[in-house]
Amino acid sequence: DAKTTQPPSMDCAEGRAANLPCNHSTISGNEYVYWYRQIHSQGPQYIIHGLKNNETNEMASLIITEDRKSSTLILPHATLRDTAVYYCIVRVGRGSQGNLIFGKGTKLSVKP
Amino acid sequence: EAGVVQSPRYKIIEKKQPVAFWCNPISGHNTLYWYRQNLGQGPELLIRYENEEAVDDSQLPKDRFSAERLKGVDSTLKIQPAELGDSAVYLCASSFPTSEEQYFGPGTRLTVT
Repeated sequence: DAKTTQPPSMDCAEGRAANLPCNHSTISGNEYVYWYRQIHSQGPQYIIHGLKNNETNEMASLIITEDRKSSTLILPHATLRDTAVYYCIVRVGRGSQGNLIFGKGTKLSVKP
Repeated sequence: EAGVVQSPRYKIIEKKQPVAFWCNPISGHNTLYWYRQNLGQGPELLIRYENEEAVDDSQLPKDRFSAERLKGVDSTLKIQPAELGDSAVYLCASSFPTSEEQYFGPGTRLTVT
């Protein structure tokens, strides 16, 4: 599975958009980009995933560059409860076929 | 709907002692995962089950770690004997085989003294 690079930490003001970048320059054509987050003392929580098209759900938007070498997770209106570690993961396969390989992620701090 | 249940939430033991963690996945989820998370790191997969079969245990340290999922529902992860370096959070997750989303439990925080 391709490796990802994320900034170790970011700050965001409450109510503003949080844009979390991820580099995955060695991603293969059959690898998906996944985002999970982990709030303190909880297990990780799935946010969103995509292959090459931009995706949006009730939690966030995922923007993948045309060359697929990087992506951005967007939380449109960050709240204090969005403070967490955000993991960007690329993996082969769908469902349970490919394992999730977590890096250290980005610690997002949302400040009032 | 109940989420993934893990017990105990916290465990403190002395080195060389055995310890076991229990996980009950979400009802109907055929796939079950055990992860270990060291402080400041992301979770690392230890073992993955499809029903009662361990389909990927390549990262499980088999000299001291064992796992079972006898009836394809709940699962137990055991360490015997525990070492200081085993101090970590042990996370259980489950999913449907064709689902993109893994659901994680709250984890068991193990401290080995």
